Amino acid sequence: AQSVSQHNHHVILSEAASLELGCNYSYGGTVNLFWYVQYPGQHLQLLLKYFSGDPLVKGIKGFEAEFIKSKFSFNLRKPSVQWSDTAEYFCAVIIMDTGRRALTFGSGTRLQVQP
Amino acid sequence: DVKVTQSSRYLVKRTGEKVFLECVQDMDHENMFWYRQDPGLGLRLIYFSYDVKMKEKGDIPEGYSVSREKKERFSLILESASTNQTSMYLCASSHRGQGAYEQYFGPGTRLTVT
Repeated sequence: AQSVSQHNHHVILSEAASLELGCNYSYGGTVNLFWYVQYPGQHLQLLLKYFSGDPLVKGIKGFEAEFIKSKFSFNLRKPSVQWSDTAEYFCAVIIMDTGRRALTFGSGTRLQVQP
Repeated sequence: DVKVTQSSRYLVKRTGEKVFLECVQDMDHENMFWYRQDPGLGLRLIYFSYDVKMKEKGDIPEGYSVSREKKERFSLILESASTNQTSMYLCASSHRGQGAYEQYFGPGTRLTVT
């Protein structure tokens, strides 16, 4: 079965530190890729997405992610985190070849930014 | 803005009860989904629907059923609630068509089965 791996389960950073969260998926065909964020007490919301074109995508709040097809990866980055970035981050994939338009999620990474 | 609403934020039920979780979206989306979210496991797909009266099993459908009688409404049913169904339940919707099929999520229902 297809899977999505997020290897960092809990990350603690100081403000202004750089962030990179890893995401790998196990399917070799066509995929759409997403990062969602869940701030404490809030809805899950879309941070950024990739479905074609430039493999470096930019999202909201200064986040970006790079799709590296050869590595089956879609890592999330931010050059300088803020306390308000404290949240849980989920990588997700849609396998386009199957026709099933449901997301497969990773297990999530809890980011804690210390002031 | 897309709005996905869920009938309850918190729900407490007893083992064996029949439980209904309701989800409504206001953006005329064709696709609707039910996930459960558990710590360390991320979100797992229970059921989804591409159209009225259509339903497809997700990755963990056991113990659940769904109903979609109207395009905007997708209900999740726990036929006989058990303690291992204590979880956060999230509903989502998306548009059918070209593009990334991004999904929009509701606020979630935290269900406790005692």
